[in-house]
Order: sequence, then structure tokens, then C-alpha cells
Amino acid sequence: ETGVTQTPRHLVMGMTNKKSLKCEQHLGHNAMYWYKQSAKKPLELMFVYNFKEQTENNSVPSRFSPECPNSSHLFLHLHTLQPEDSALYLCASSQRQGYGGYTFGSGTRLTVV
Amino acid sequence: DQQVKQNSPSLSVQEGRISILNCDYTNSMFDYFLWYKKYPAEGPTFLISISSIKDKNEDGRFTVFLNKSAKHLSLHIVPSQPGDSAVYFCAARGNSGGSNYKLTFGKGTLLTVNP
Repeated sequence: ETGVTQTPRHLVMGMTNKKSLKCEQHLGHNAMYWYKQSAKKPLELMFVYNFKEQTENNSVPSRFSPECPNSSHLFLHLHTLQPEDSALYLCASSQRQGYGGYTFGSGTRLTVV
Repeated sequence: DQQVKQNSPSLSVQEGRISILNCDYTNSMFDYFLWYKKYPAEGPTFLISISSIKDKNEDGRFTVFLNKSAKHLSLHIVPSQPGDSAVYFCAARGNSGGSNYKLTFGKGTLLTVNP
């Protein structure tokens, strides 16, 4: 089992749907991150959680809503998305915010139709 | 404003030869640099890193060079193998106590190693 697991691997949703992405890590890390990777763009940091507390929201639209119930789990709730939100969404974790290397999950490929 | 730049979107190299991937940064607060490798349908995986107190770090076939005065780093792969074909991301981070602690990525360079 890989260190950071993301589900689902692929998701197609309509603009009026509500869905959630899940991320789970069993590395004992205390910081978790959501990144967005769009074509021909750098990985964009969306949210950071450190010891379950959100410490950064990188000007992400409110149609993306993160949730971190504990240090091992991270969710990204999606509602009323736009086609331009289609991208690869990557979860990562590290020992704590700003310390240690990042371990990434395999990502969720999201398509908004 | 892109703080980490990988100006070559792609690079093609013959098997056995050297691959050199370049990265430039603009933020002088960055003091730790990493390279990640990404295969299709997988997340990025850590490859090698270098602290700003060093100018070279080597791990097997992979060597990263850092030129602080030029704000430039490069990843050398020698000899290149077809299995090295992937997207390589350069990333940089500042001191954990400052606002630049977060990992900032470049756009990536697609390396293709031809047999």
C-alpha cells in the first residue's frame, strides 16, 4: 500500500453535482496538502492543513471546500464546479508544515462536463 | 509571477547519454531545492534534493548542482535510461519559519529517453 492513497482515481461530474475527493496517509505525517495540476501549468497549492488546522487557503474559490477530520485524512468537497476546474488533484503529506519531504498520492483526474 | 521556472517543456535524449534538466528561481529566500519525477497516472515522487549550503548532491545516476549566485539548479542523469522517461518537476522552499516555507513548483520538463 502506498503511503498516500487518493480515491477515486478518476471522476466525471456535471456542473450541478456534489462530489468529494478523499486522501488518506499512514505515514504518521501531520501536514496535508491539496494541489491542482492543470495542463502546462505548475502544481498549484490549494490548501494546507497542519495538525488538523487549516493554515493556508491559496485564494481558492468557495466551490472547493476542504475538510480534515484528523491528521490521516483529508477531503476536498466539490460543488457547482466549472469545466475549467477539470484537472489532476493531488494530495500530499509531510511530517509537519514546512518540514520534511512531501509524499504525494497518485491523484484524482477530475473532468467537469 | 512564477518563482520557479523550468524553461524547457521537453527534452529528448539518447539512451546512455547525459540528460540535463534546468531550473531557475527568483526568490532569494529559497534555501532548499528538490526534484520530483512523475510518471503518467501517478503522483510525483521525490528524487533528490539539495540544501543551499551545498553546491552539489549526488545519488547514483542523479546529481543536482546548485549555483546560488545565478539562482540556477540543474539535474544531471547519467547514463540516461528509457525508464527515466517522465516529467521532472523542480521545487523550492524557504525557511520553515517564514512565509516561503511552502513548496513552490515549476511547470515541469518532459524527458524522453530513446532506446
